[in-house]
This record gives sequence, structure tokens and C-alpha cells, in this order.
Amino acid sequence: SQQGEEDPQALSIQEGENATMNCSYKTSINNLQWYRQNSGRGLVHLILIRSNEREKHSGRLRVTLDTSKKSSSLLITASRAADTASYFCAGLNTGNQFYFGTGTSLTVIP
Amino acid sequence: KAGVTQTPRYLIKTRGQQVTLSCSPISGHRSVSWYQQTPGQGLQFLFEYFSETQRNKGNFPGRFSGRQFSNSRSEMNVSTLELGDSALYLCASSHGGEPNIQYFGAGTRLSVL
Repeated sequence: SQQGEEDPQALSIQEGENATMNCSYKTSINNLQWYRQNSGRGLVHLILIRSNEREKHSGRLRVTLDTSKKSSSLLITASRAADTASYFCAGLNTGNQFYFGTGTSLTVIP
Repeated sequence: KAGVTQTPRYLIKTRGQQVTLSCSPISGHRSVSWYQQTPGQGLQFLFEYFSETQRNKGNFPGRFSGRQFSNSRSEMNVSTLELGDSALYLCASSHGGEPNIQYFGAGTRLSVL
């Protein structure tokens, strides 16, 4: 399987704390994207980082990419209860095909 | 702009039956991808259609098939249903070129009894 893996599988933090989740992937990628999924719903795109970029910011989100280690991390700063969801990384390979990670379930406690 | 619409939202079928799921992409999007999501396997890529042609295919048996119409709407068919096919089936549309950001529908929850 070319599916990526995410770590940790589950994360529980207090409101206001930062949340960090990591993603490893197996194939060469053109870009890596992070998505959020609220329980039983579709995924929503959060942020994209291209293979020639190392770091990207968008609001309270910060994503890093290390292509030599085939890994990425997503940092959510000053978390809110509304950030409670599952987060997935997805690598777009050179064949224009996505491989999603296994997801991190984030719970933010008010 | 309307989002991605999947119908039906819920389905209950029995083993051996077949099922057809429908996806209407965002207007102007030419690519439609299908994913299967289960608690144990996560999000698995089924296939992608672009301009009515299957462009990419995941590692699923031939019981899973799809098609795309000239208006970009797509259908996915699963024949001879098995218990293990119970899952949330997600459809996503995009322009089809890099960066290929996926816009997801709410999914169809299929239960096979």
C-alpha cells in the first residue's frame, strides 16, 4: 500500500494549547495537502505545500515538509473546541494520484 | 457555487446485491475521484475520472466500477456486495490539474447486511 501514516492516531489537548500532528508518506510527491473531517462528513481542504517548499503558514496553521524524510507536520496554534475533528495528510504523486494518511483524531477540550 | 452533491446519503443493502452511488461535482470541475473510508483501513482511493475517461485506479476488485458522463457527473457501482463493503463512500471533484485540490461531498454511508 502506498498509503501514508499519521502520528499520533489520537490527540487530546486543552483549548488554547497547540496541536502537532505528523505524517509520513511513501512515494515522491508534487505537493502535500492537509484536510479536516468532522465526524462522518466529507473532508475539507486546509492547506497545501509544494514539494519545493519547506514551510507554509495560513492563519493558525503551520505546515512543514521534509522531502528527504518523506514527512510533514501540521501545527494548529491556540486550538479551539471547534478544531475537534480528524486531520488527514494527502500526497499528490507524479501520476496525479492522491494517497491519504490514516488520520489523526484531535479532541480539543473546552 | 454549489458544492459536491452525493446521493443517496444512506443506503442499506444485503449481501449479493448491487448498488449505484451518484456524485455531482462542482460546476466546471472535470475530475471526479471516489474514495472508500472505513475505520480499519482509513481513506482508500478507488478511481478517478477525468473528461469521461478513467485516469487513475486504486487496488480494488473489479466489482467496483465507475463512469463519468459528459456533464462530469459520476456514478460508482458495486456489484455482488460483501459485508466488508460497508463504508462511507466519498466523492471529490477538482479541476484535475496540479495542485489538484479535492472538494469533497458529504458521502454515502453504505451498510451491507
